[in-house]
Amino acid sequence: AQKITQTQPGMFVQEKEAVTLDCTYDTSDQSYGLFWYKQPSSGEMIFLIYQGSYDEQNATEGRYSLNFQKARKSANLVISASQLGDSAMYFCALEGDSSYKLIFGSGTRLLVRP
Amino acid sequence: GAVVSQHPSRVICKSGTSVKIECRSLDFQATTMFWYRQFPKKSLMLMATSNEGSKATYEQGVEKDKFLINHASLTLSTLTVTSAHPEDSSFYICSAREVVERGSYNEQFFGPGTRLTVL
Repeated sequence: AQKITQTQPGMFVQEKEAVTLDCTYDTSDQSYGLFWYKQPSSGEMIFLIYQGSYDEQNATEGRYSLNFQKARKSANLVISASQLGDSAMYFCALEGDSSYKLIFGSGTRLLVRP
Repeated sequence: GAVVSQHPSRVICKSGTSVKIECRSLDFQATTMFWYRQFPKKSLMLMATSNEGSKATYEQGVEKDKFLINHASLTLSTLTVTSAHPEDSSFYICSAREVVERGSYNEQFFGPGTRLTVL
């Protein structure tokens, strides 16, 4: 069975500071992918970053980076230089090798303070 | 990135009626589309996987006769909530996966969602 866990229901960060959103996963697949999505209050799902299980380097996309620790089965999202527009729900998701289904974590609500 | 549309964006219906939600991939072909349901302040729960030209695969606990899914073409999947009841009120989101394998992964592109309210 596959499982994604986000243990932080809510987080605060000061504008311009960095913040780490935690995500741990469990899967028996040898090959898998980890995704992070942002969901603002409008409801749309915005793709942020992807990490493949065989990728040797941590993924980075602009201000987003993924701290991938395979042995610990964690894939934390780091947002640098937080902006007010970063306030949203953030979801970590796991895609296994056997299907293309995405299994989502419970989400973390991030609030950026001015 | 690729665009996925959903129609309608909001719908209010009376209890007992059926509601159809469309999910379209506008600029790419999608053999596989997914339907999710999201309750307020909760995560996305996968309801079913929709494959073009074949029957949908439903997740455990999702009623097949309640939530009818049709994937008639490579750009359109529909979700019909039959005999809707107030407990079916939710935010329904679809996603589509591109046919062409490109790079190291295939991103799922999400629609903007449909908010269903059953009175």
